[in-house]
Amino acid sequence: SQKIEQNSEALNIQEGKTATLTCNYTNYSPAYLQWYRQDPGRGPVFLLLIRENEKEKRKERLKVTFDTTLKQSLFHITASQPADSATYLCAPFSGGYNKLIFGAGTRLAVHP
Amino acid sequence: KAGVTQTPRYLIKTRGQQVTLSCSPISGHRSVSWYQQTPGQGLQFLFEYFSETQRNKGNFPGRFSGRQFSNSRSEMNVSTLELGDSALYLCASSLDGGMDTGELFFGEGSRLTVL
Repeated sequence: SQKIEQNSEALNIQEGKTATLTCNYTNYSPAYLQWYRQDPGRGPVFLLLIRENEKEKRKERLKVTFDTTLKQSLFHITASQPADSATYLCAPFSGGYNKLIFGAGTRLAVHP
Repeated sequence: KAGVTQTPRYLIKTRGQQVTLSCSPISGHRSVSWYQQTPGQGLQFLFEYFSETQRNKGNFPGRFSGRQFSNSRSEMNVSTLELGDSALYLCASSLDGGMDTGELFFGEGSRLTVL
């Protein structure tokens, strides 16, 4: 069955450092992969989408990579700030009208 | 442009009761998806509606149902509530559900507590 794995343990980093979150998937051949941010008690907010033919995508301090051979996406936040503290969810999907399935998310805590 | 609106935001029910949650998508969005989120299970897909038709369904019992109206507003219903139904129920809309560009826009959720 399709499986999405994200680090279940919280990631604690110091302000100003780069945070790297991992999303691995199995039994999937996604054409796209999305990343969302979720704050406690709030709905997820879309951050970035990367296509299978894109190796890397950037948006301000965010960078996402997509390796279809390793079946992995990495999500980087450079110059991290305490305001970046949240849970980050990945969602690989095949496109079309398939349902969007999310990983369990990784909680990031950025300490001053 | 107004975002996705979910009502009610918070509600408390007792076991055996039923509940109806409402979702108004972003204007022009025709696809509405529902998710259940609990600490232990994360975001679980319930169902997706497009043009008043259920197009995708998750692995939930028949007590969970939904519908979509001609104005794209959607409701979900949970009958015979169980303690395990306590969760944050999230609604998300997208333009056409085609997903090729995109993102889901989530509401703030309805927090259901079953006592």
